[in-house]
Amino acid sequence: RKEVEQDPGPFNVPEGATVAFNCTYSNSASQSFFWYRQDCRKEPKLLMSVYSSGNEDGRFTAQLNRASQYISLLIRDSKLSDSATYLCVVNKYSGAGSYQLTFGKGTKLSVIP
Amino acid sequence: SAVISQKPSRDICQRGTSLTIQCQVDSQVTMMFWYRQQPGQSLTLIATANQGSEATYESGFVIDKFPISRPNLTFSTLTVSNMSPEDSSIYLCSVEDRGGTSRGYTFGSGTRLTVV
Repeated sequence: RKEVEQDPGPFNVPEGATVAFNCTYSNSASQSFFWYRQDCRKEPKLLMSVYSSGNEDGRFTAQLNRASQYISLLIRDSKLSDSATYLCVVNKYSGAGSYQLTFGKGTKLSVIP
Repeated sequence: SAVISQKPSRDICQRGTSLTIQCQVDSQVTMMFWYRQQPGQSLTLIATANQGSEATYESGFVIDKFPISRPNLTFSTLTVSNMSPEDSSIYLCSVEDRGGTSRGYTFGSGTRLTVV
């Protein structure tokens, strides 16, 4: 089983639609969880951290279920500018005071006019 | 968030040669991370660079192929040695962003390497 698995893409949705991405992780020692956004030919940029209580940032809602080792991202009222690849990222303590990020392969979203 | 300046942004290199990639951070950081992103794939950690000690390499990556320098708390280099076409990839550096509560990571803009 891969350490971080995401929905296979691509997702092609019309403007204004709601879209949900799912992610599962295999290492129960994982401590921090993030969604990153990567535009074509650009570096990943932090979209939001994911907390156990769930968190919302505008049109974006992230959920974490530690028992199921499952993370989700919901995007409401999709905009053309939301078109990108969304990376599920998990952080675990790797010893000696250091942490290590593990990335999912990403899910590509295309929002269509 | 930390600001990272990474260069070169892209290069086309002959097989057998070496390329050194530089990352400069606008603040002092304990650890810097080097990643590779192959076409259509996600990011894979190459190594973690600590100032004052040897870098820690992940499985599948060795110091002879990817030597790393970390002369101070704001700068690091990654060299891709004796390149082959299989090394064609995007290479990114990253630091942990301790600003705010998110504790996310900031990435350099990447180096797109093509080996011919």
